[in-house]
Amino acid sequence: EAQVTQNPRYLITVTGKKLTVTCSQNMNHEYMSWYRQDPGLGLRQIYYSMNVEVTDKGDVPEGYKVSRKEKRNFPLILESPSPNQTSLYFCASRDTGWVNEQFFGPGTRLTVL
Amino acid sequence: AQSVAQPEDQVNVAEGNPLTVKCTYSVSGNPYLFWYVQYPNRGLQFLLKYITGDNLVKGSYGFEAEFNKSQTSFHLKKPSALVSDSALYFCAVRDMMGGGADGLTFGKGTHLIIQP
Repeated sequence: EAQVTQNPRYLITVTGKKLTVTCSQNMNHEYMSWYRQDPGLGLRQIYYSMNVEVTDKGDVPEGYKVSRKEKRNFPLILESPSPNQTSLYFCASRDTGWVNEQFFGPGTRLTVL
Repeated sequence: AQSVAQPEDQVNVAEGNPLTVKCTYSVSGNPYLFWYVQYPNRGLQFLLKYITGDNLVKGSYGFEAEFNKSQTSFHLKKPSALVSDSALYFCAVRDMMGGGADGLTFGKGTHLIIQP
């Protein structure tokens, strides 16, 4: 089954404790991205990657890091999480080409205390 | 700069009635337009898209959307609502001339509630 998987699905952590949210897709998509969803703000893009070893900032990159060492994986790293990063996070992937729709993972609900 | 507006936070419709979820956009060039749906505790799912051609686009689950260039709108419609259509709906836009950045902008979402 074609899918985007994320882990963990739920995470409660404390300020300053480094964490990684993994994302993997099995559709051989070159493009991957991370979004955060907050009430009243919709989805905002954090980072995206056009291909292996190619990443770029989205609209809200502060406090986040990403890497793209393999085509299928695109982890999101919070080096020193803060409470304002409490949010619902989605990973997405798509085929190359702006006209193609994105496939989203199930989401990771992160709470930073 | 591009933007998307979904003017209604919530839309309530009786089952069996037609539904409309509104979306307006602003781009400097021609738009690529998308609708996604999010069911509770799930990721977003693609419904339909407008790239070019026929202004009426048909998508999944019986939904359709009409592109109106003069009104810069891309409203989502369905002739007869089902209770299972209750979900959060997002409109998204990208300017065809957006350049190298990803540039897909999402609206804030509209909660669609279908009452039995």
